Amino acid sequence: DGGITQSPKYLFRKEGQNVTLSCEQNLNHDAMYWYRQDPGQGLRLIYYSQIVNDFQKGDIAEGYSVSREKKESFPLTVTSAQKNPTAFYLCATVGAGAMDQPQHFGDGTRLSIL
Amino acid sequence: AQSVTQLGSHVSVSEGALVLLRCNYSSSVPPYLFWYVQYPNQGLQLLLKYTSAATLVKGINGFEAEFKKSETSFHLTKPSAHMSDAAEYFCAVSTLDTGGFKTIFGAGTRLFVKA
Repeated sequence: DGGITQSPKYLFRKEGQNVTLSCEQNLNHDAMYWYRQDPGQGLRLIYYSQIVNDFQKGDIAEGYSVSREKKESFPLTVTSAQKNPTAFYLCATVGAGAMDQPQHFGDGTRLSIL
Repeated sequence: AQSVTQLGSHVSVSEGALVLLRCNYSSSVPPYLFWYVQYPNQGLQLLLKYTSAATLVKGINGFEAEFKKSETSFHLTKPSAHMSDAAEYFCAVSTLDTGGFKTIFGAGTRLFVKA
């Protein structure tokens, strides 16, 4: 089945540690997005990528980094510079590069601090 | 800049009652609007989308939304709530930025359904 796979489902970070969240898709979609979700704040855009080897900062990129070496993959690294990383992280894709296309979401990764 | 505002962070209805979740948008151009639903510990799923073909849009699970340009609104309704409708609902608008297409999400409305 086509879809978006996020792993792991739960992740714990120690002080000063970098952690990487995986997002893989087999929908053949060009655009991929990372969001952070906190209670009562909706979804906030961290980074997005329209094509391979190119990505843009979103509204809250500080303390995060991404890469887009393959069309299918868009991993997100939460660095030690992100002082409040506890949140639910969602990866999404959009096909056909048009504004009337909806976003398709993975099932998320919940990150907590140890 | 485009934005969406969802009125009411929590809405509670009885099973069988009308569901009304409010969304107002701000856009200088004809908008592309969406409603998504999120169940606990899951990603968002598309309920319906407005793309100017018709002002009344029907979605999945019996939901529908009406686009009203004069009121800049896109409220979500369902005639009769079911227990399984309890979830969080997000209104969203698609926009074009220098880096490409983005979606702006509202803060969400959590729907509670009482037996």
